[in-house]
Amino acid sequence: KQEVTQIPAALSVPEGENLVLNCSFTDSAIYNLQWFRQDPGKGLTSLLLIQSSQREQTSGRLNASLDKSSGRSTLYIAASQPGDSATYLCAVKNSGYSTLTFGKGTMLLVSP
Amino acid sequence: SAVISQKPSRDICQRGTSLTIQCQVDSQVTMMFWYRQQPGQSLTLIATANQGSEATYESGFVIDKFPISRPNLTFSTLTVSNMSPEDSSIYLCSVEAGGGQPQHFGDGTRLSIL
Repeated sequence: KQEVTQIPAALSVPEGENLVLNCSFTDSAIYNLQWFRQDPGKGLTSLLLIQSSQREQTSGRLNASLDKSSGRSTLYIAASQPGDSATYLCAVKNSGYSTLTFGKGTMLLVSP
Repeated sequence: SAVISQKPSRDICQRGTSLTIQCQVDSQVTMMFWYRQQPGQSLTLIATANQGSEATYESGFVIDKFPISRPNLTFSTLTVSNMSPEDSSIYLCSVEAGGGQPQHFGDGTRLSIL
């Protein structure tokens, strides 16, 4: 059974810092991995999707990398802003027909 | 990406009653899912809503408690039956077009049971 772990559980940084959020998974035979953002009391916003054949994906100040062999993904946020404050969730899909397995998330607070 | 409308956005209900949550997508999608997010927790999949047939439930969730309908490729409902305070959660609908496409979520329904 796939298990997804996110470290740290919470992170507080001053505005402008570059930061890295970590996601690890126990079964390396994944189909794809997706990073989401969730604002308090809201639904999830998809940030990046990495297919199993890819090493990284970039969108604006966000860069996600994938190392299947070690069961790890990282989400890099450059030049953080207060508007980046949210919970970031990592989710793994094990096959084209399977469902997503979510980590518990990293709660990020960027202070002005 | 698909635009997902979920209704209601929030509700406060009495113990023992039932509530039906609607999920409408602006385009046809292959897969629709229902999740529960309890306070301070991550997401737990309740079931996959199958078009034209019975939903596929995850361990710990049963049809009598969470009946689901999916009459077509753009619409699904989740009913939370005989509610108790333990059912107080955010309920989220998500969709996936298939073929390795990303999964997208609605804004959720925040449900409180008194």
